[in-house]
Amino acid sequence: KQEVTQIPAALSVPEGENLVLNCSFTDSAIYNLQWFRQDPGKGLTSLLLIQSSQREQTSGRLNASLDKSSGRSTLYIAASQPGDSATYLCAVRDNYGQNFVFGPGTRLSVLP
Amino acid sequence: DAGITQSPRHKVTETGTPVTLRCHQTENHRYMYWYRQDPGHGLRLIHYSYGVKDTDKGEVSDGYSVSRSKTEDFLLTLESATSSQTSVYFCAISGGAGDHEKLFFGSGTQLSVL
Repeated sequence: KQEVTQIPAALSVPEGENLVLNCSFTDSAIYNLQWFRQDPGKGLTSLLLIQSSQREQTSGRLNASLDKSSGRSTLYIAASQPGDSATYLCAVRDNYGQNFVFGPGTRLSVLP
Repeated sequence: DAGITQSPRHKVTETGTPVTLRCHQTENHRYMYWYRQDPGHGLRLIHYSYGVKDTDKGEVSDGYSVSRSKTEDFLLTLESATSSQTSVYFCAISGGAGDHEKLFFGSGTQLSVL
């Protein structure tokens, strides 16, 4: 059974710092991996999708990498801003079906 | 934002009563999902649909049923609500190929079963 973990559970940084969020998964037979952002009381917003054949994806100040063999993905946020404060979740879709397994999330606070 | 509407946004009900949550999409996406989100458990898949009248169970399907009679609508029914079904319920959609595999979520339904 696929399990997804995220470290750290919470992170507080001053504005302007570059930061890295980590996602680990136990079964490397994944189809793709997505990173999401969730604001309090809201639904999830898809940030980046990485197919299993890709190594990274970039969108603006966000860069996500994937190392399938080691079961890891990282989300890099450059020049963090208070508006980046949210919970960030990763989810993997395995090769066996249409299910997406979510990690517990990292709660990020960017202080002005 | 992807065109996903969940209704109702909030509901309070009593144990033993039936409850139906609705998800409506305007994107013509093939796949639709129901998740629940709980502290300490994260997001867990209840049921999903891969086409009209085609559905399958997820990780936590006991006590829930679904129906999809049209591409745009996916209903989640709690036949007899229990307090353990108090949760935030999210509907999600995806197109199923390439970048369309991205999951798009609705705003959620906060359900309280007293």
